Amino acid sequence: DGGITQSPKYLFRKEGQNVTLSCEQNLNHDAMYWYRQDPGQGLRLIYYSQIVNDFQKGDIAEGYSVSREKKESFPLTVTSAQKNPTAFYLCASSMRGSTYNEQFFGPGTRLTVL
Amino acid sequence: GENVEQHPSTLSVQEGDSAVIKCTYSDSASNYFPWYKQELGKRPQLIIDIRSNVGEKKDQRIAVTLNKTAKHFSLHITETQPEDSAVYFCAADDRGSTLGRLYFGRGTQLTVWP
Repeated sequence: DGGITQSPKYLFRKEGQNVTLSCEQNLNHDAMYWYRQDPGQGLRLIYYSQIVNDFQKGDIAEGYSVSREKKESFPLTVTSAQKNPTAFYLCASSMRGSTYNEQFFGPGTRLTVL
Repeated sequence: GENVEQHPSTLSVQEGDSAVIKCTYSDSASNYFPWYKQELGKRPQLIIDIRSNVGEKKDQRIAVTLNKTAKHFSLHITETQPEDSAVYFCAADDRGSTLGRLYFGRGTQLTVWP
């Protein structure tokens, strides 16, 4: 898990602003994921990517966007269309093509909308 | 897609007692079932996992059992210690799709009282 970094650790945003959360990994993993965590809601999948230049919507993609231009990086943009963006955001990565999908998580970014 | 249910949502035990957390899943094609532990403010970390070709796996005080017929799996922690206090998540993989992802339960807040 030490090979995945997220920045910043805390982020404050005014309503109506877009913000981008960074996720970088040096584990040579093909697959990367973004989750949102709210109290009592578990880990909800926002977007995931199995390979560079390709990504899929998860269960709660509305109001979010991603890009995957490099294998090591999978930034998440929280747009002004996301009505309730205050949450803890976790990035994860895993080996693609592995029979078993063990995921390694980053330390998270806590986003607060003021 | 897969649906993972986790119970209970909260669990309090006395130090030294055992704790059991149960999960059910809906997709009979799933064959990888990890358990993650998340301490307050930290990232989830894999503590144990089980593949569909075995019924039980142990690692010191932690064990996981799998019943594929009934489509449920459980985490057992024996001789609990205060440092076991955390949120525990179960998950199941998505073998019905070529786009590998995990489906997570909503989590169990375990509190171990000294």
